[in-house]
Amino acid sequence: NAGVTQTPKFRVLKTGQSMTLLCAQDMNHEYMYWYRQDPGMGLRLIHYSVGEGTTAKGEVPDGYNVSRLKKQNFLLGLESAAPSQTSVYFCASRTTDTGELFFGEGSRLTVL
Amino acid sequence: AQSVAQPEDQVNVAEGNPLTVKCTYSVSGNPYLFWYVQYPNRGLQFLLKYITGDNLVKGSYGFEAEFNKSQTSFHLKKPSALVSDSALYFCAVRDGAGKSTFGDGTTLTVKP
Repeated sequence: NAGVTQTPKFRVLKTGQSMTLLCAQDMNHEYMYWYRQDPGMGLRLIHYSVGEGTTAKGEVPDGYNVSRLKKQNFLLGLESAAPSQTSVYFCASRTTDTGELFFGEGSRLTVL
Repeated sequence: AQSVAQPEDQVNVAEGNPLTVKCTYSVSGNPYLFWYVQYPNRGLQFLLKYITGDNLVKGSYGFEAEFNKSQTSFHLKKPSALVSDSALYFCAVRDGAGKSTFGDGTTLTVKP
């Protein structure tokens, strides 16, 4: 079982460059999430999706965009990267309202 | 707005001793409560959850948690700690709208 797969795992960008993180899940989950993890700050929700074709803003959405064109994929885009976006990004998915989150292994992004 | 507090950044225990990692929460309505564990350079893994019913919840790897509605707490416990339990632990609360909020995390160190 692959579960939740994130690509790439590591990326270094220069300020102003753009990139896309891909999250793929093979569990047929409706809900998908993008979080960022920074030291001492826990996980903060960037954007989420409650189903194919839908997206919504989370706690820290500025500077990011997302798309959910297929149920199994959730893309996170940075149009113009900034050093403040240096972080570890986690994708997660779940099935029901009471279901636990399944996380990917993370994508470490450094913006110089 | 909902919130989660993990009052201890670090918990140190000796192997074989009982451990407690504390969590308090604030949410409107009935809470869905979760504990996750994160090992270095890995994604978060689900440990246990409280949705309804018995206040004592048992989970993976011998962990359990006690839901206390009057104290709005959901402390994680284990009767006998192992060195391999050393990791970063997150408490999370989900509201009726499906949005999860995470605490800042507690680093558990179990010494031989």
